[in-house]
Amino acid sequence: GQQVMQIPQYQHVQEGEDFTTYCNSSTTLSNIQWYKQRPGGHPVFLIQLVKSGEVKKQKRLTFQFGEAKKNSSLHITATQTTDVGTYFCQDSNDYKLSFGAGTTVTVRA
Amino acid sequence: DSGVTQTPKHLITATGQRVTLRCSPRSGDLSVYWYQQSLDQGLQFLIQYYNGEERAKGNILERFSAQQFPDLHSELNLSSLELGDSALYFCASSVGGRGYNEQFFGPGTRLTVL
Repeated sequence: GQQVMQIPQYQHVQEGEDFTTYCNSSTTLSNIQWYKQRPGGHPVFLIQLVKSGEVKKQKRLTFQFGEAKKNSSLHITATQTTDVGTYFCQDSNDYKLSFGAGTTVTVRA
Repeated sequence: DSGVTQTPKHLITATGQRVTLRCSPRSGDLSVYWYQQSLDQGLQFLIQYYNGEERAKGNILERFSAQQFPDLHSELNLSSLELGDSALYFCASSVGGRGYNEQFFGPGTRLTVL
């Protein structure tokens, strides 16, 4: 079945810096959801991307869906300690839900 | 608090045993999803129910089964447990039946098989 690959697996960021995590697939993605899971917590929905080339922003977070719908990215600017956690992308349609392995983010103050 | 409740929070049992995990969705949500999260496998989708009917199936083992009841709560039954079944099991719910609907996750049940 289709696999959703997330890179990098780990991201160590200096507070105040920017970083990007990527979600890639060899086949066309259906709809992308991004979730954040804090340490010891449960996944929390962040955003959904549906259209090719779509870009959505939430404060310091920018989400993008590739033109060919084979990749998605999450870019965080001016990283804060509250950004610590694991970010997952999920590809889903009516009958299939696939999570990427996640990018675990740690922040150096 | 997402509004999704899961019981129990922790479960410790032995290999070969059978356990039942319970999930109550948010008020008004018709879909329930079950996920398994282990350190080496990440989040694995197991199964989805919508308004009492199975809607989508993921990597659910034959030893595992689930159902959604008329009051919309759901149970995940795990039998002939193996050490590798130790994991965090999440339930999520959504209003609609489509997998791309925003899902609200419960706090999880941590299963330890000894």
